[in-house]
Amino acid sequence: EPEVTQTPSHQVTQMGQEVILRCVPISNHLYFYWYRQILGQKVEFLVSFYNNEISEKSEIFDDQFSVERPDGSNFTLKIRSTKLEDSAMYFCASSEAGLANNEQFFGPGTRLTVL
Amino acid sequence: AQSVSQHNHHVILSEAASLELGCNYSYGGTVNLFWYVQYPGQHLQLLLKYFSGDPLVKGIKGFEAEFIKSKFSFNLRKPSVQWSDTAEYFCAVTSGGATNKLIFGTGTLLAVQP
Repeated sequence: EPEVTQTPSHQVTQMGQEVILRCVPISNHLYFYWYRQILGQKVEFLVSFYNNEISEKSEIFDDQFSVERPDGSNFTLKIRSTKLEDSAMYFCASSEAGLANNEQFFGPGTRLTVL
Repeated sequence: AQSVSQHNHHVILSEAASLELGCNYSYGGTVNLFWYVQYPGQHLQLLLKYFSGDPLVKGIKGFEAEFIKSKFSFNLRKPSVQWSDTAEYFCAVTSGGATNKLIFGTGTLLAVQP
């Protein structure tokens, strides 16, 4: 069964450093998402992406964040200058279409620790 | 703004006990409702979803949920839990219209004791 994959599973970085989190969505899916979950808190939407552009973003997704689909398979989330409060589990998801009732398939997550 | 509340943060049950996890949402318009499960060490998986029609929806692994519009609720139920149901359960909602972002509840950690 096809699945969303994410690398690395755990990333440790120093405050102020740039990190890139990678995701490979399911191959025939067209919509891609990033969510994050700070320890003990809710899973929060960050951004959705379709047709090589951001379709929606939350207030969390400020200028420090960017997303890219650099080739036909990867979908990346970059944090330019990490802060302590960026420590969280980051989930990538994908869906076939962008309707509100479409199932989103999630990856296993990348745990980001900012020291 | 939309929000989702899950009132049970941690539930401990013995095998064969019945389960009901509460979920309430705040949004007056059309909603699509989901329950996701995350087994230890695994990714979020869809258990079931409601878009329209019969408000009682059946999902995988014997789970079901009932949409009660008047109560803004979408509680998850299972008549007899197993040890393998130990996991974290997340209720989520998307509204109708152009947006498809999922709004999640805080999750309920279920521990089933053998």
